[in-house]
Amino acid sequence: AQSVTQLDSHVSVSEGTPVLLRCNYSSSYSPSLFWYVQHPNKGLQLLLKYTSAATLVKGINGFEAEFKKSETSFHLTKPSAHMSDAAEYFCVVSDRGTGNQFYFGTGTSLTVIP
Amino acid sequence: NAGVTQTPKFQVLKTGQSMTLQCAQDMNHEYMSWYRQDPGMGLRLIHYSVGAGITDQGEVPNGYNVSRSTTEDFPLRLLSAAPSQTSVYFCASSRTRQGAGGYTFGSGTRLTVV
Repeated sequence: AQSVTQLDSHVSVSEGTPVLLRCNYSSSYSPSLFWYVQHPNKGLQLLLKYTSAATLVKGINGFEAEFKKSETSFHLTKPSAHMSDAAEYFCVVSDRGTGNQFYFGTGTSLTVIP
Repeated sequence: NAGVTQTPKFQVLKTGQSMTLQCAQDMNHEYMSWYRQDPGMGLRLIHYSVGAGITDQGEVPNGYNVSRSTTEDFPLRLLSAAPSQTSVYFCASSRTRQGAGGYTFGSGTRLTVV
């Protein structure tokens, strides 16, 4: 079975401090992993993706994520939070074992405190 | 601009009414899908299509129908609306079923059933 768990439903950080959004997955095959961001009343935008190339993936707006197979994790980080980073973040996994369907985590709401 | 277009953006239905949510993409993507987003549950797959004339069920298909007569369009039909179908609906597309480049999402349709 395939699943994805976002360990925190809400995260609050102060502007200028680091961001860490945690994601663990389970997969029977080599997975593809994604992070999406959703700003209020908007659609989902792709932040970054891992598809079996480099394990440290850089995305847009200064975000990056590291694929750690031994820990089955794909945590999202950013060195310095900006007010515009306040949004909902979704971790997504897919693999060929389930027809490459995308499975979404339940989301992490990021609040940035000025 | 190229992308996924969803209409309408907002809709209120009475219980038992039917309606069609429209989705169109102009990127010549093979794969299209419909998700619903509910608080605390992430996005759940309703139906998907891997090409014109081919559709299949996702995780939560009951109460919904789809068709794919052209590559561009993938409408979602609610046959007899129920309050449990109150949700935000997203259409997504990708070049291939594997979606290695990630999905492109529409801006969503917010549906309320009273």
